[in-house]
Amino acid sequence: AQRVTQPEKLLSVFKGAPVELKCNYSYSGSPELFWYVQYSRQRLQLLLRHISRESIKGFTADLNKGETSFHLKKPFAQEEDSAMYYCALISGGYNKLIFGAGTRLAVHP
Amino acid sequence: DAGVIQSPRHEVTEMGQEVTLRCKPISGHDYLFWYRQTMMRGLELLIYFNNNVPIDDSGMPEDRFSAKMPNASFSTLKIQPSEPRDSAVYFCASRRTANTEAFFGQGTRLTVV
Repeated sequence: AQRVTQPEKLLSVFKGAPVELKCNYSYSGSPELFWYVQYSRQRLQLLLRHISRESIKGFTADLNKGETSFHLKKPFAQEEDSAMYYCALISGGYNKLIFGAGTRLAVHP
Repeated sequence: DAGVIQSPRHEVTEMGQEVTLRCKPISGHDYLFWYRQTMMRGLELLIYFNNNVPIDDSGMPEDRFSAKMPNASFSTLKIQPSEPRDSAVYFCASRRTANTEAFFGQGTRLTVV
């Protein structure tokens, strides 16, 4: 069965420290992976997708098929990065969009 | 376009009452998803539709939950009877075509007392 696992519920770092939000997936086919972010009192929005290979707000994520991982990274965290981050997977012929449990990132001054 | 619109934004109801949550997807989007967000489980997919047809409802917790999409511009999620453990934020999202970005509504915060 398709599954997205985010092992950390909370990640707490200081401003300027590197950040890595972990995401592992299980899916037998070729996955389409995303990171979504939810800032306080705002709706969920797309942060980045693996096919774009882009950096958004300093964040990057590399798909590692061998480790079935899609970790989100940023070299220097900012206070405005504090938010809830969700890793997501599209699977199946009917494009089911499923999410992990989410990780709350707290960046302290 | 105003984006995905959900109503109401907040709902407080007594246990045993019927609750109906509403969603208006972005015009032209052919996928619609209902999610439930809780602290313990994060964002759970309840059901999703493609061209108004339910594709997968395996995430619907039990028979008390039902969802409909009578046309391309409207969907409802109904809980009858409601229970305190249904308290959560319910999100609706829509997507235009396969493998493109999903857009979320602002959610409905449901409290069942």
